[in-house]
Amino acid sequence: DVKVTQSSRYLVKRTGEKVFLECVQDMDHENMFWYRQDPGLGLRLIYFSYDVKMKEKGDIPEGYSVSREKKERFSLILESASTNQTSMYLCASSFAQGPLHFGNGTRLTVT
Amino acid sequence: DQQVKQNSPSLSVQEGRISILNCDYTNSMFDYFLWYKKYPAEGPTFLISISSIKDKNEDGRFTVFLNKSAKHLSLHIVPSQPGDSAVYFCAGGQGAQKLVFGQGTRLTINP
Repeated sequence: DVKVTQSSRYLVKRTGEKVFLECVQDMDHENMFWYRQDPGLGLRLIYFSYDVKMKEKGDIPEGYSVSREKKERFSLILESASTNQTSMYLCASSFAQGPLHFGNGTRLTVT
Repeated sequence: DQQVKQNSPSLSVQEGRISILNCDYTNSMFDYFLWYKKYPAEGPTFLISISSIKDKNEDGRFTVFLNKSAKHLSLHIVPSQPGDSAVYFCAGGQGAQKLVFGQGTRLTINP
């Protein structure tokens, strides 16, 4: 069974802090994704990666960056956290054209 | 520009009856659609998918219907069970990767 693990369930950070959200998958999937989920807006794609050291912008990349140094790990970075980045962040992975497998999410609060 | 819309934020159905969740999309390039189910404090889990070459796909109690001319898809659950109470997201895209998600519909199954 695919396991996508997000390192933190809850995070509270201050405005202006640099924030790292970590995600690890154990199924050797090439593709990894970061989404954020907000009420009334569904899931919106921030960044995705089809291979190691490769990244592509999703629909809402502003204020975020990503890092994929190893195949199993995909990190989301908030360079300078702002209150409008308070959200539920979901990491996902997939193999080829298969369905996405999601982690349990990280609820980030920026105060 | 909301390319995938779920216009019903919530739906309440009696146990044993049919649940019908609806989804509309605007992008005619989308050729693959999926439904995900999400329980509180968990990530979304893949439920069922359909490609644009089909108009119906069935998996046990779950059936997805696709009407390409109307750019509409629906998920039928029959019979509905209490464990089906969750938030359901539909998603569409060109292939299964860079998906666009709807806002979600909260389904409540009443005993």
